[in-house]
Amino acid sequence: GENVEQHPSTLSVQEGDSAVIKCTYSDSASNYFPWYKQELGKRPQLIIDIRSNVGEKKDQRIAVTLNKTAKHFSLHITETQPEDSAVYFCAASIGSYIPTFGRGTSLIVHP
Amino acid sequence: NAGVTQTPKFQVLKTGQSMTLQCAQDMNHEYMSWYRQDPGMGLRLIHYSVGAGITDQGEVPNGYNVSRSTTEDFPLRLLSAAPSQTSVYFCASSRQGAKVGSNQPQHFGDGTRLSIL
Repeated sequence: GENVEQHPSTLSVQEGDSAVIKCTYSDSASNYFPWYKQELGKRPQLIIDIRSNVGEKKDQRIAVTLNKTAKHFSLHITETQPEDSAVYFCAASIGSYIPTFGRGTSLIVHP
Repeated sequence: NAGVTQTPKFQVLKTGQSMTLQCAQDMNHEYMSWYRQDPGMGLRLIHYSVGAGITDQGEVPNGYNVSRSTTEDFPLRLLSAAPSQTSVYFCASSRQGAKVGSNQPQHFGDGTRLSIL
């Protein structure tokens, strides 16, 4: 089955800095890569996703890049704010809807 | 729309007890799934369903049963609770893509925090 590795497990930045979270996947057939944000005590919520026919997607301060050859994808957050502090999960799915999740990255933005 | 509703929000059980975690969605989603979330382990798939009457096992199915008699409901049953099942449980649903391979994002419930003593 698919295996998703996510790094780093913890990321600490100063407000205004950029943050990058990286994920690798094992199965080249994966074609859908969502990112979820989970605030403390809350449910995971989709923040951005990308499909295998696109190399990059942006939504305001958030962007995701995909390198199919290297089988990795990354989340980029620019101009970080304290409200960006949360756990972020990447996921990959292979043709079916069931995604495999990474173990999560705890992002801490210091004011 | 209420989205995905999970009940109860909190539960404490004794070892050996059984219980059912309820999950309902009002978005007419075909796909539903159960995850458990443990510190440092991410979201691990327990069981999932691609439609009424169809269920399958995920990564960590032992000790859990599911059924899908309607599109809306997908209950998770703990047969004989064990301390290792202490966790936060999330139910999720998603729409079937319009064509093969057009995966859709998942919508999560608020979770059930389960402690087993």
